Amino acid sequence: AQKVTQAQTEISVVEKEDVTLDCVYETRDTTYYLFWYKQPPSGELVFLIRRNSFDEQNEISGRYSWNFQKSTSSFNFTITASQVVDSAVYFCALSENTDKLIFGTGTRLQVFP
Amino acid sequence: KAGVTQTPRYLIKTRGQQVTLSCSPISGHRSVSWYQQTPGQGLQFLFEYFSETQRNKGNFPGRFSGRQFSNSRSEMNVSTLELGDSALYLCASSPGTVNQPQHFGDGTRLSIL
Repeated sequence: AQKVTQAQTEISVVEKEDVTLDCVYETRDTTYYLFWYKQPPSGELVFLIRRNSFDEQNEISGRYSWNFQKSTSSFNFTITASQVVDSAVYFCALSENTDKLIFGTGTRLQVFP
Repeated sequence: KAGVTQTPRYLIKTRGQQVTLSCSPISGHRSVSWYQQTPGQGLQFLFEYFSETQRNKGNFPGRFSGRQFSNSRSEMNVSTLELGDSALYLCASSPGTVNQPQHFGDGTRLSIL
């Protein structure tokens, strides 16, 4: 069965700290995609990144970086030098060759000035 | 480029009524998916439409239905509303080939009294 686990319910940090959000997934498929979305208080889910199961290269985009490890079924997200504007709920999601996204329960990140 | 537009933003209904929510996808996008977000169940996939046909369906009762028009706009209908249907309903669109990033609207917040 497919499942996404985000064990961290809430994380609080002070501005400029680095923070890592964990994501562990379960799937029987060999071909699948992983996503991260950000949900600010306004409610809209904002797409951050997509990674397919055959591409284990880490990715860096500005202050954001993602570490994908198939051996541990994890797709972790790190924010370097966090800012107040990073405060939001972050969701990890899985899809298995469909447009059906299976979401984790989300991690609420609060960045204090 | 305009984003995904959902109307209305807020809706208050009473038990037993029915409701129709509307979603206009990003121009050129042919796939529209619907999700329900509640504090207890998190983000759950309802269904996905592509070229006016339902391509995927989640595990929701038949009271939840949808359709897609030739211009890719989609509507979702919930009949015989229950208190538990109170939620944020999110619509997402994507180009149509599977596993593409989905772009979400701001959602419709439905409250059942």
